Amino acid sequence: EDKVVQSPLSLVVHEGDTVTLNCSYEVTNFRSLLWYKQEKKAPTFLFMLTSSGIEKKSGRLSSILDKKELFSILNITATQTGDSAVYLCATVAGGTSYGKLTFGQGTILTVHP
Amino acid sequence: DTEVTQTPKHLVMGMTNKKSLKCEQHMGHRAMYWYKQKAKKPPELMFVYSYEKLSINESVPSRFSPECPNSSLLNLHLHALQPEDSALYLCASSQDRAGIYGYTFGSGTRLTVV
Repeated sequence: EDKVVQSPLSLVVHEGDTVTLNCSYEVTNFRSLLWYKQEKKAPTFLFMLTSSGIEKKSGRLSSILDKKELFSILNITATQTGDSAVYLCATVAGGTSYGKLTFGQGTILTVHP
Repeated sequence: DTEVTQTPKHLVMGMTNKKSLKCEQHMGHRAMYWYKQKAKKPPELMFVYSYEKLSINESVPSRFSPECPNSSLLNLHLHALQPEDSALYLCASSQDRAGIYGYTFGSGTRLTVV
């Protein structure tokens, strides 16, 4: 069974801090890894990673995938209170599970002023 | 239009009721999904439709019945639900099942079964 594990499960920081969120996976027929931010309802897309070692950046957020060690990290620099949310990591499988997203438990990030 | 629209946003139903959740997208996506999310848990896949055909059913009880009448619409028909079915039901779509360009989620329907 495919498995995605995120750590830490929760994190409390102050504005301006830098945080690193971790995601490890064991997935048959791995195709890609996604990061989402979920504040109230809909998860909003952050990054899709398919190639190992290539960093993706968007403003203060960046992410990288290591396909050899089967993990990904999401970095947020100069955190703001608006970054408070649940961050979800998900893998996309191929084969008979083609298109199935398997989510990790999520990391609850709280940024205090 | 880059959104997945779900209606209703909130639904309260009794265990003997029949209701339907609706999901709509006009991005030309050919794969659509239903996910169930309980409080403080990640979304769990229920169904995958690809080109209007059911591709994956994650052993979901028959009281949940999906329907894809056309490439833009996805319904979830509910009948004889249990209180433990109360959850946030999320719809998502992607260009195809490979999701090369990502997966877009709707805002969800918050369902309460009483």
